[in-house]
Amino acid sequence: DIVLTQSPTTLSVTPGETVSLSCRASHSIGTNLHWYQQKTNESPRLLIKYASQSISGIPSRFSASGSGTDFTLNINNVEFDDVSSYFCQQTQSWPYTFGAGTKLELK
Amino acid sequence: EVQLVESGGGLVQPGRSLKLSCAASGFTFSNYYMAWVRQAPKKGLEWVATISTSGSRTYYPDSVKGRFTISRDNAKSSLYLQMNSLKSEDTATYYCARHEEKNYGGSPFAYWGQGTLVTVSS
Repeated sequence: DIVLTQSPTTLSVTPGETVSLSCRASHSIGTNLHWYQQKTNESPRLLIKYASQSISGIPSRFSASGSGTDFTLNINNVEFDDVSSYFCQQTQSWPYTFGAGTKLELK
Repeated sequence: EVQLVESGGGLVQPGRSLKLSCAASGFTFSNYYMAWVRQAPKKGLEWVATISTSGSRTYYPDSVKGRFTISRDNAKSSLYLQMNSLKSEDTATYYCARHEEKNYGGSPFAYWGQGTLVTVSS
């Protein structure tokens, strides 16, 4: 199985900062890596697909990059509304796996 | 508007069975692979099953293989998850999800239901 390791586990930031969240795969997955946002008591929402492709309706301050085994989600000018958990997921091979998540908190 | 509405969750004893349903609307159900994803309390996401458009192909992780069965009724735009031999570690909110692209199970989960809670406890 492909293991996705997300870091950090928790990130405490000041509104207006730019942050980077990491997701590393145990094996190369090309660009079959997707990012989801989940707010407390809500369903997950697709944020970025195929490592760097934007999703309609998602604010432009969210961007991502990477390929192979190293991936990054960037959030520019963090807002209060961005307080959430962020999960990466691979669809390179079965079983599809998720990372354990990064929880974004505001100072 | 795409809508996915799960039902069938509840409290069940270990070793018993439960069947979840997901009613889909707002899109041509038969064109999309569908999936179940679960989330244990205060934990991360775990993919549970995916089914092809016709239902002829199904995929599971080892954690549920042989115990869970995903199925669909395209005429009713409905997705199901039959869960047998339930264990305490199956306790979670179960989400119905639609893969993003038509007829492609390698695409991400673009739409999610609100989830239904399954609690396995004596």
